[in-house]
This record gives sequence, structure tokens and C-alpha cells, in this order.
Amino acid sequence: QVQLQESGPGPVKPSETLSLTCTVSGGSISSGSYYWGWIRQPPGKGLEWIGTIYYTGSTYYNPSLKSRVTISVDTPKSQFSLKLSSVTAADTAIYYCARDGGGYCSTTSCYTDYSGMDVWGQGTTVTVSS
Amino acid sequence: EIVLTQSPGTLSLSPGERATLSCRASQSVSSSYLAWYQQKPGQAPRLIIYAASSRATGVPDRFSGSGSGTDFTLTITRLEPEDFAVYYCQRYGSSPRHTFGQGTKLEV
Repeated sequence: QVQLQESGPGPVKPSETLSLTCTVSGGSISSGSYYWGWIRQPPGKGLEWIGTIYYTGSTYYNPSLKSRVTISVDTPKSQFSLKLSSVTAADTAIYYCARDGGGYCSTTSCYTDYSGMDVWGQGTTVTVSS
Repeated sequence: EIVLTQSPGTLSLSPGERATLSCRASQSVSSSYLAWYQQKPGQAPRLIIYAASSRATGVPDRFSGSGSGTDFTLTITRLEPEDFAVYYCQRYGSSPRHTFGQGTKLEV
């Protein structure tokens, strides 16, 4: 059974870069059947998709965060990572990684069925504060 | 960019009653690309419905999804105490790849 676990250094100061890693266990990150994503949730608010990566390194980013986000994958370690630069207090949130049951999408269309984000990590709280 | 609007914001019901949650899209969405999630306090979201009407693994059959175009519905028949939570709809597609609704809180 696939499990995801987020990890990161904890508090981040304003203007610094937030770095998180998601470790996939119980299955292969390179299976090809899934993409892998990051989602966040500010305190008391709803869910916001940050970005998604395929094991080949192909990425999709939320346009509102694209200029500050980098997602990468390390297939030998079965990990994918999030970097968010120039953070402010507005980036304080619970950060989740999840398995993304979609496929390839161009700028206009997606081409496979979608089975949802069916496996989630427990989430890690990141606080941006000086 | 497609916006998902969920209603009501809060739904107050009792165990045993029927819950109907709405998700309206600002543009037509393929029903193959609409999902619903349940989130309880302190927990990660849980996939409930994908492709608008397909139940995820292990989800009780009192949960059902329906809809097409711009209007989608999550129905929970015979509410159980463990069903009280926040529910989010989500659209998968292109540019951006994922969009979430703002959530409906189902409370006792």
C-alpha cells in the first residue's frame, strides 16, 4: 500500500526559501501510472494546488505561484520535492503531498481519465515568521 | 480560468438525514474530471468521488455523486456521525491542472 510522508526543516523566515520533501513508500514513484503533487491549506482555509510532477521531471504549476515554485523528483530515492522562494506570512500553511491520478495535459486539453488524488501524506505545518 | 463555487457554505443536519452538496463551475467541466474530497479536523483530505460519480476505494455506498456540465452534486444518504466534515469539489484539467472549490462544512 502506497504511503506518502512529507518532511522539512520547520519554520521559515520571510524572504527565504521553503523546502519540503515527500517520500513515497510501498510503491514506485516511477510506475508511470501516476503524477505526484503538492497542495497547501492556510490555517482555517481551503485547499490550494501548488504543482504536480511526473517521474520524468515534467511539471505543472499553479499560475499564481509559478514564479516562485520549483518541484523536482529523485526517482532513486523515491522522493519529490518542493521549493517555494521569497516566502511571506501568506505562505504559512499545512503542506500536503499527494498521488495525482491524472495524465498528460497540454495547455488546452487533458488526454486520459482522472482517478483523483487518492493517496495523501499526513501534511506538515510550515510557519513563516521572523 | 474555471472557478468552482460550492454551496451552501455550511449545512446543518442530523444523523440519519440526507445531505445534498452542490458544486457549480464557471465553465463546463468534463464529468470525467470532477472529484470530491472529505476532510475531517486535523486530517488530510480523503478522496470520496472521482469522475463525478465513481466512488473511491472503501467509500460507503451512502455517498454518491452526480452531475454534468457546470452543476455537480454530492449526496450522502442516511448521515452517519463520521460523515460530518468539510467537503471539497475539485476539477482536473488544463491551465491550471487542478482547481478546488472553497468547501462546504457539514455540521451537526
